[in-house]
Amino acid sequence: AQSVTQLGSHVSVSEGALVLLRCNYSSSVPPYLFWYVQYPNQGLQLLLKYTTGATLVKGINGFEAEFKKSETSFHLTKPSAHMSDAAEYFCAVNQGAQKLVFGQGTRLTINP
Amino acid sequence: DAGVIQSPRHEVTEMGQEVTLRCKPISGHNSLFWYRQTMMRGLELLIYFNNNVPIDDSGMPEDRFSAKMPNASFSTLKIQPSEPRDSAVYFCASSPGGFFYEQYFGPGTRLTVT
Repeated sequence: AQSVTQLGSHVSVSEGALVLLRCNYSSSVPPYLFWYVQYPNQGLQLLLKYTTGATLVKGINGFEAEFKKSETSFHLTKPSAHMSDAAEYFCAVNQGAQKLVFGQGTRLTINP
Repeated sequence: DAGVIQSPRHEVTEMGQEVTLRCKPISGHNSLFWYRQTMMRGLELLIYFNNNVPIDDSGMPEDRFSAKMPNASFSTLKIQPSEPRDSAVYFCASSPGGFFYEQYFGPGTRLTVT
């Protein structure tokens, strides 16, 4: 069965610093990978997704992620953090037809 | 497009009462998902439908929970009787279907059972 591990339930960075949120997955089939963001009292919103092709994918709000098959990783990065990036971030992998398996989430805090 | 619509946004009820949560998916989407989110257990898939047919309900915690999708534009999740441990945020999501399509989440219903 597919699974997702997000390293670090809380990450804190300074405004303007690099954001790195880690995600490792296990999958018995070629994975389709997703990053979602959840702002307080809101639903999850898609940041970016990897299906096939280019392993570096760009998403909204300046985020990007790189699929590394050899490391079974799909880490999320942003070069310069903004206060508005404070939220919870979820990595997900497909499980069979249509289902997604989500990680436990990483809460990102931005320090002024 | 209005996105996925859920109602009510907040529900407070007493233990033993019936609770019905409602969802309107995005028009044209073929798949609908119900999730529950708690601090302890994170985001859990309860059930999902494809073309109004329940495909996988293995995440439904027990018989007190039931879900229906009578047509392509409406779904309900019912808890009867409710218990305090059912307190959570319940999300509905819809998807055009297939492997390549992401799920679009509604704003959620925050349920508190006292």
